[in-house]
Amino acid sequence: EPEVTQTPSHQVTQMGQEVILRCVPISNHLYFYWYRQILGQKVEFLVSFYNNEISEKSEIFDDQFSVERPDGSNFTLKIRSTKLEDSAMYFCASKESGGGNTIYFGEGSWLTVV
Amino acid sequence: DQQVKQNSPSLSVQEGRISILNCDYTNSMFDYFLWYKKYPAEGPTFLISISSIKDKNEDGRFTVFLNKSAKHLSLHIVPSQPGDSAVYFCAASEGGATNKLIFGTGTLLAVQP
Repeated sequence: EPEVTQTPSHQVTQMGQEVILRCVPISNHLYFYWYRQILGQKVEFLVSFYNNEISEKSEIFDDQFSVERPDGSNFTLKIRSTKLEDSAMYFCASKESGGGNTIYFGEGSWLTVV
Repeated sequence: DQQVKQNSPSLSVQEGRISILNCDYTNSMFDYFLWYKKYPAEGPTFLISISSIKDKNEDGRFTVFLNKSAKHLSLHIVPSQPGDSAVYFCAASEGGATNKLIFGTGTLLAVQP
């Protein structure tokens, strides 16, 4: 069964460092998302991406965050200068177009900022 | 602003019995609802969904009921199995191209053998 894959599964980084989280969405999907879950809290929407541009972003997704689809398969989330409060599980997700409503999630990348 | 609420943080059920997980929402623009199952340190796994034009959707042991007037949905698992033990998240979307999901806070289901 096709799945969303994410790397790395866990990353520890120093505060202020740049981090790139990578994702390979399901191959025939055209809508891509990043969500995050801070420990003990609910899953929160960060950003959606379609047709090579951001279609919607939340208040969390400030100027420190960016997304990119550098080639036909990868979808990345970059955090330019990490803060302690960026420590969370980051989930990539994707959805097919043409009326499909179900969003499928990857296994997550656990980011720890120290 | 909690648009999607799961008021029961945990639920314990005996194996073989019915598990009922509840979810309430406030945004009347939501038109698609989903249930996800999640284990610690893993991504949410899609279970079942329902469109606002329906009031029930069934898939094997899982049934989702939607009461639009009450802005309430529930997930029934019958019969419950120990492998069902996980955190269950209710999620909703307003539709449209983005379809971003708004998640509830989750309910930890423990199915006792």
